[in-house]
Amino acid sequence: RKEVEQDPGPFNVPEGATVAFNCTYSNSASQSFFWYRQDCRKEPKLLMSVYSSGNEDGRFTAQLNRASQYISLLIRDSKLSDSATYLCVVTRGGSGDKLTFGTGTRLAVRP
Amino acid sequence: DAGVIQSPRHEVTEMGQEVTLRCKPISGHDYLFWYRQTMMRGLELLIYFNNNVPIDDSGMPEDRFSAKMPNASFSTLKIQPSEPRDSAVYFCASSLNSNQPQHFGDGTRLSIL
Repeated sequence: RKEVEQDPGPFNVPEGATVAFNCTYSNSASQSFFWYRQDCRKEPKLLMSVYSSGNEDGRFTAQLNRASQYISLLIRDSKLSDSATYLCVVTRGGSGDKLTFGTGTRLAVRP
Repeated sequence: DAGVIQSPRHEVTEMGQEVTLRCKPISGHDYLFWYRQTMMRGLELLIYFNNNVPIDDSGMPEDRFSAKMPNASFSTLKIQPSEPRDSAVYFCASSLNSNQPQHFGDGTRLSIL
């Protein structure tokens, strides 16, 4: 079983739609959780951290459920520019420590 | 500000040849990471360094792979001899410390024929 699992997609949604991605992790010792965004043929970039209480950054909301060992990302009012691959990331340390990446969920937002 | 700098951006070579990938981390960053990304396996950590010392190389696939960090501003990842299955995008990343986000370089696209 992979340490971090994601639905590869693609999720194909119209502009303005709300879309949600889930991710599960197997290591209960994981301490920190993140969502990264990767555009086609580009490097991954940190999108947001994920906290147990849930956190929001504009149109993006991240949630963590430690009991069930899953993480979610909700994108409201999708924009064409949101089209990318979203990577779920876990670590037993901090954001600058050894990271384990999911294989990513691809999102395509259409006009 | 200069980010993580990787070279070359692209490399195409024949199997059996030695390949050397280079990385210059962001100045002052204590951690340096080497990743490999393929369609099938996603982004995998190969090895990482803290203050130039290798901490975890459990992700290095085989003895054909080796990495060094002779000083705080330079690291190399070598593959010798290279094989077609090594074809991938190799990313280098650095972080200020274990609690600050990693910054990735643009990657090296490696094709082994």
